[in-house]
Amino acid sequence: EAQVTQNPRYLITVTGKKLTVTCSQNMNHEYMSWYRQDPGLGLRQIYYSMNVEVTDKGDVPEGYKVSRKEKRNFPLILESPSPNQTSLYFCASREAGVLETQYFGPGTRLLVL
Amino acid sequence: QKEVEQDPGPLSVPEGAIVSLNCTYSNSAFQYFMWYRQYSRKGPELLMYTYSSGNKEDGRFTAQVDKSSKYISLFIRDSQPSDSATYLCAPSKGGATNKLIFGTGTLLAVQP
Repeated sequence: EAQVTQNPRYLITVTGKKLTVTCSQNMNHEYMSWYRQDPGLGLRQIYYSMNVEVTDKGDVPEGYKVSRKEKRNFPLILESPSPNQTSLYFCASREAGVLETQYFGPGTRLLVL
Repeated sequence: QKEVEQDPGPLSVPEGAIVSLNCTYSNSAFQYFMWYRQYSRKGPELLMYTYSSGNKEDGRFTAQVDKSSKYISLFIRDSQPSDSATYLCAPSKGGATNKLIFGTGTLLAVQP
């Protein structure tokens, strides 16, 4: 079954405590991205990756890091989380240049105290 | 001004009604127009998409784009309680990164 998985699904943490949200896809997709979803603001892209070792900033990259060492994995790193990073996070993947193949993960709900 | 505007709702309709969901956009370079459906506590899933102007039909769903007025519509015929979800429009200019610009979503509730 084609899928994007994220872990953890729910996370409560405190300000400044580094955390990583993992993302993995089993479709051999080149393109992967991270979004955050906030009420009234919709889905906003944080970072994206066109392929292994190729990453670039999206619209709201401040406070986040990513890496793409393997094609299937695209972890999101919050080095020093702050309360304004409390949000619902989605990982997505698709074939490069083929919008209609985009799959989203199930989401990670993060609360930063 | 946001690039994509979408009425957040909620929109409540009785089962069997025709539903019209709409977005407006400001960037005339958008060429691809996607509609995603997001159930509660789930990730968005692609419902349908169109390229450039015109209509596209898929079962009970019809997507319509009017580029002259920068208006995107999704129609649902014979709506069902299982259609209750948030609907997100997401246009794109295409190109190498094919970046999607998402609307805020419209919450639809179909009452049995």
